[in-house]
Amino acid sequence: NAGVMQNPRHLVRRRGQEARLRCSPMKGHSHVYWYRQLPEEGLKFMVYLQKENIIDESGMPKERFSAEFPKEGPSILRIQQVVRGDSAAYFCASSHNSQNTEAFFGQGTRLTVV
Amino acid sequence: QKEVEQDPGPLSVPEGAIVSLNCTYSNSAFQYFMWYRQYSRKGPELLMYTYSSGNKEDGRFTAQVDKSSKYISLFIRDSQPSDSATYLCAMKRDDKIIFGKGTRLHILP
Repeated sequence: NAGVMQNPRHLVRRRGQEARLRCSPMKGHSHVYWYRQLPEEGLKFMVYLQKENIIDESGMPKERFSAEFPKEGPSILRIQQVVRGDSAAYFCASSHNSQNTEAFFGQGTRLTVV
Repeated sequence: QKEVEQDPGPLSVPEGAIVSLNCTYSNSAFQYFMWYRQYSRKGPELLMYTYSSGNKEDGRFTAQVDKSSKYISLFIRDSQPSDSATYLCAMKRDDKIIFGKGTRLHILP
């Protein structure tokens, strides 16, 4: 039973380019959370999605950031026109349902903007 | 005031000692409480979760929740060098999981 899969593990983008981060939840999980982690910082909530629905995006910056979780395929976190301040580790977690507190994390995508 | 407060450490203890890690929170809406362990450049790994006041034990780990004081703890008995990691407390409200900043723990051989 594969865990939460994130790819790529490392992503380098030049300022102004787009970054696409992918997250495949654990088998049978339909809830996905995205978090951002800066060095020496905790995990900052960004967005919570269910299949085809954004449930809570209160942690997402208002501009340049978007997320989706289509009926088929992985969840995507998209960052347009990246800036140096977007450099961070981005983690996703999945759970079976909203009541299930056992949320399992992937290994993260480390985004570096040069 | 942040919703979840956690001392970032670092905390250094000798091998075999009992480790105590703590978090406080301000929002009574939190219903579930979790502890994650994160090794350097890895994803967080769920160690324990609980939803009621009291103690929950799993091997060398004990999670303790005191809702009246808004205080949670994780105890590690017989600590090992392999326990050296960052420990993150997390709490759930309204389908959102909020994390503390994490405490860096070093177990000295």
